[in-house]
Amino acid sequence: EVQLVESGGGLVQPGESLRLSCAASGFIVSNNFMSWVRQAPGKGLEWVSVIYRDGTIYYADSVRGRFTISRDHSKNTVYLEMNNLTDDDTAVYHCARGLTSSGYTYYFDYWGQGTLVTVSS
Amino acid sequence: QSALTQPASVSGSPGQSITISCTGTSSDFEIYNLVSWYQHYPGKAPKLVIYEVNKRPSGVSDRFSGSKSGNTASLTISGLQAEDEADYYCCSYAGSTTYVMFGGGTKLTAL
Repeated sequence: EVQLVESGGGLVQPGESLRLSCAASGFIVSNNFMSWVRQAPGKGLEWVSVIYRDGTIYYADSVRGRFTISRDHSKNTVYLEMNNLTDDDTAVYHCARGLTSSGYTYYFDYWGQGTLVTVSS
Repeated sequence: QSALTQPASVSGSPGQSITISCTGTSSDFEIYNLVSWYQHYPGKAPKLVIYEVNKRPSGVSDRFSGSKSGNTASLTISGLQAEDEADYYCCSYAGSTTYVMFGGGTKLTAL
């Protein structure tokens, strides 16, 4: 059974850092496209970052230069390192697995329940 | 700046059919059939209900269907049930370096 479990969220002050983890089971993270998607309170879903099977990485403009996505094959886990956090980064952060169809991987077939990050002074 | 626009809310009575629209502003949205839809209950993991415009993942009810014409994609739920009451998001390819974008979401209320 495919499962994604996020952890690492919490309350931090503006300017601080946090590292989120997404532990996967039922499939191999390194063989899949893995993304982080967030939802700020009262807002919609916002894609944050993706790491491709071949290691190619992309970020949303809102986090580029501050966030870093990575993965650990031995732990079958994806990470999101978040630096210089601001109030606008307050959100529930979900990790999601990419689904490939017709050669394209722009869909997410499995999601975790998310971990809450609160940035406040 | 590209965007996907959804109505903030849609409602329907049990048994009825409802349609949620998703209008894209980029040429990529019109050219490519890379639209997906997600059902999201607050506090839960979002669930993929439609991908590649009109494909249903295994296990998703055939009451859910998708379509696209020009710059507007649509999600239709037929035979509306109380359990369908949730937030629905469209999502589409947004360019080679932007990856994907989500619409603002539509709150579906089953009256």
